Parts: sequence; C-alpha cells; structure tokens
Amino acid sequence: DAGITQSPRHKVTETGTPVTLRCHQTENHRYMYWYRQDPGHGLRLIHYSYGVKDTDKGEVSDGYSVSRSKTEDFLLTLESATSSQTSVYFCAIRDDRDPTGELFFGEGSRLTVL
Amino acid sequence: AQSVSQHNHHVILSEAASLELGCNYSYGGTVNLFWYVQYPGQHLQLLLKYFSGDPLVKGIKGFEAEFIKSKFSFNLRKPSVQWSDTAEYFCAVTRSSNTGKLIFGQGTTLQVKP
Repeated sequence: DAGITQSPRHKVTETGTPVTLRCHQTENHRYMYWYRQDPGHGLRLIHYSYGVKDTDKGEVSDGYSVSRSKTEDFLLTLESATSSQTSVYFCAIRDDRDPTGELFFGEGSRLTVL
Repeated sequence: AQSVSQHNHHVILSEAASLELGCNYSYGGTVNLFWYVQYPGQHLQLLLKYFSGDPLVKGIKGFEAEFIKSKFSFNLRKPSVQWSDTAEYFCAVTRSSNTGKLIFGQGTTLQVKP
C-alpha cells in the first residue's frame, strides 16, 4: 500500500460546475502527480508538484488547476467542468529517494460530467 | 515531443499461450522504462522496470521485458499466460534527468480465454 488516498472516488456533476479532487499521501514525498485515463489514450499527465506551492503543467493542463499548500495534499480543480473532462483521474507519488522515477498510484476518482 | 507507442491495442489469447506486447518510445537520451498493469476495476501496479544494467528485466508474475536501445523498444513477454493475466498493460518512459514525469503508451487490453 503506497499510502495514497483519493477523494471522492466517484462523482457525477453537471456541466459548468466546479469540482475539486483531493489526493492525500502519508509518505511525505515531494513529488505528486495528477493523470487522467481515457480509452485509447492511456494515462496523460495533467499537472504535477515538486513541493509545497511548487507546481507545473503537464501535457493536458487546459481547464485544470492545482494547489499544494501542504506536503500531504494535492488538489485538482476543474473550475467549470465540461463533458470532455469525464474521465478517471489518478493521483501518483514518487519516492524522493528512488532514482528510477517509479510512480505509485492511488485508486482513482471516476468523474462523470453530464 | 517524447512519445510512447504500444502496437497492440487489444490482444486475445488462450491460456498457456505465449505473450509479447510491443512498446517503442521516441526519446533518444537516457531513459527509464516501465510496464504497469491495471486489473479490472483497480489502480495501476508496477510489473517491472528498467533503470540500468542488464537489459533483460524480470518482474512479478513471470513477466519479463527486454530493453533494446538500438530499436528504442521495451517489449513485454510472458511464456505462458493465465486467465488471471486478463488486464490492461501500459508501457511508460521517463527521462533519467527530469522530474519523474512518466509518459504512457495508449495501453494494451489483454483478454485470456480459459
């Protein structure tokens, strides 16, 4: 168990509403990531963080923002959800001491935007 | 831009058949390579990884992969699949020098018939 908790695990919302997904880790690692998983696309990186208040964009960051005010929490926000953001969202962490870059994934959050 | 390509999108095999899933990446520098597996309804788990040393890497559950640098490939193999290997398989690459951003392939769905 990598010590990652995602919440909520399932959410249905309507177009135009804000949504925040939370990723909580108990490992005290610097690096945290948000990916989305869609059929035919694998996993695509949305945003990542390399420390408190240090974040950067991934390959599909449009329409998403993130915040990291504490080491253990990495929040992903959809300011105004659209149907194209219906997806499964995975949070991941990286062990700072591991040079290989292996990521450990959470259980996922399934978001449906109607 | 760095990319990862998995050639087979959907593979159907009978139990005891041999498996080989192809993975090619586009980045020419030093890379770390991974295969992750996602069983139905679950999160991603690491099967194996290549960091350095022997290009033939052995992972869990009898899987192995061979890194062929000249071909930019990291193909996954298993001599005899089981019904329990039914899952989605993802190849992923990260540059050794970056912040651990994993770039994933599109995924291959493996269905093993009993």
